[in-house]
Amino acid sequence: NAGVMQNPRHLVRRRGQEARLRCSPMKGHSHVYWYRQLPEEGLKFMVYLQKENIIDESGMPKERFSAEFPKEGPSILRIQQVVRGDSAAYFCASSSLAGEQETQYFGPGTRLLVL
Amino acid sequence: GESVGLHLPTLSVQEGDNSIINCAYSNSASDYFIWYKQESGKGPQFIIDIRSNMDKRQGQRVTVLLNKTVKHLSLQIAATQPGDSAVYFCAEKGQAGTALIFGKGTTLSVSS
Repeated sequence: NAGVMQNPRHLVRRRGQEARLRCSPMKGHSHVYWYRQLPEEGLKFMVYLQKENIIDESGMPKERFSAEFPKEGPSILRIQQVVRGDSAAYFCASSSLAGEQETQYFGPGTRLLVL
Repeated sequence: GESVGLHLPTLSVQEGDNSIINCAYSNSASDYFIWYKQESGKGPQFIIDIRSNMDKRQGQRVTVLLNKTVKHLSLQIAATQPGDSAVYFCAEKGQAGTALIFGKGTTLSVSS
């Protein structure tokens, strides 16, 4: 049973370009979460999605960032017009259940570098 | 506000020693806590979790203790091995009910 898959593992973009990060949840998981990690810091929640629905986007910047989890295919985190401050590791996690105490399993992350 | 923190940013131990990593949380309404291990260049790896109706939970070589009175969480690793070297994060279930709130992490270094 494959774990959470993320690609690309590393992404380099110039300021103003777009970044697309993909996440395939574990088999059987329908809940996806995106987190961002700056160097030497913990993970910060960005957005929680179920298939075709955004459930909680309270941690996501209002501008330039968007996320989707279509009926078919991986979840996508999209960052438009990237700036240097977007450089970070972006992690996706998935779970099989929503509610109070589901376990979230993380992927290997995408490390975004904005030049 | 909600916050999860760790007492020490780094911890160095000798191979074979027992390690204790501590975490303090501020939200008394949190009812689920998790410890993750993160190795360099990798994603967080689930270690063990505990619910607020429990004080202690044991896994393989790891034990998590929860003290709700002082809002303190600890991870004990028995017979620490070099492969245990990593950054350890505690996380709590936030008020939103879905988002995990992470602390900054403790770097565990195990020397042979």
